[in-house]
Amino acid sequence: DAEITQSPRHKITETGRQVTLACHQTWNHNNMFWYRQDLGHGLRLIHYSYGVQDTNKGEVSDGYSVSRSNTEDLPLTLESAASSQTSVYFCASSPGSYSRGYTFGSGTRLTVV
Amino acid sequence: ILNVEQSPQSLHVQEGDSTNFTCSFPSSNFYALHWYRWETAKSPKALFVMTLNGDEKKKGRISATLNTKEGYSYLYIKGSQPEDSATYLCAAPSNNDMRFGAGTRLTVKP
Repeated sequence: DAEITQSPRHKITETGRQVTLACHQTWNHNNMFWYRQDLGHGLRLIHYSYGVQDTNKGEVSDGYSVSRSNTEDLPLTLESAASSQTSVYFCASSPGSYSRGYTFGSGTRLTVV
Repeated sequence: ILNVEQSPQSLHVQEGDSTNFTCSFPSSNFYALHWYRWETAKSPKALFVMTLNGDEKKKGRISATLNTKEGYSYLYIKGSQPEDSATYLCAAPSNNDMRFGAGTRLTVKP
């Protein structure tokens, strides 16, 4: 069965370190997204991609970067982790039409100490 | 920027009660409205995608209606069960992004 997986599920890192969160989907979806979930804010878009070599900034992109070298993967990198980036991160994918719902990964809980 | 608003923020009902909550969105340039069910410690799962004014979708005891002219959607749960306890999110596309509401957190007490 097709799926979307995130790794790691939990991570603790130190301020200033570079961290990469992985997202891998086997749906063959063109569109992939990274969201963060914080109390009082709901889901906020960090970066998104509409296909290979395409990346775009979302609402809260500062301090984050993504790359899309193939259809299946959209890794999210925190260049220099800050305590404000402690959050739960969700990756999602969709086939490319808003008439279809998003498929979400299980989330990564990141703590920056 | 499209603002998607949901109310109430939280809701506590007894098992067997029917309940409903609201999602509101700007009615101009409407394309689609999504509902998701999000259980604690899990990921959001798509419930409905609605695109037509007057549309009504149903899945078991859960149904949703859509009014694109006035910019709102209702989600109804008939005969709530404890397993319905979750956060219900709605979302609408805006500027190549999907804007999510903050959700309605439903707790169904046995």
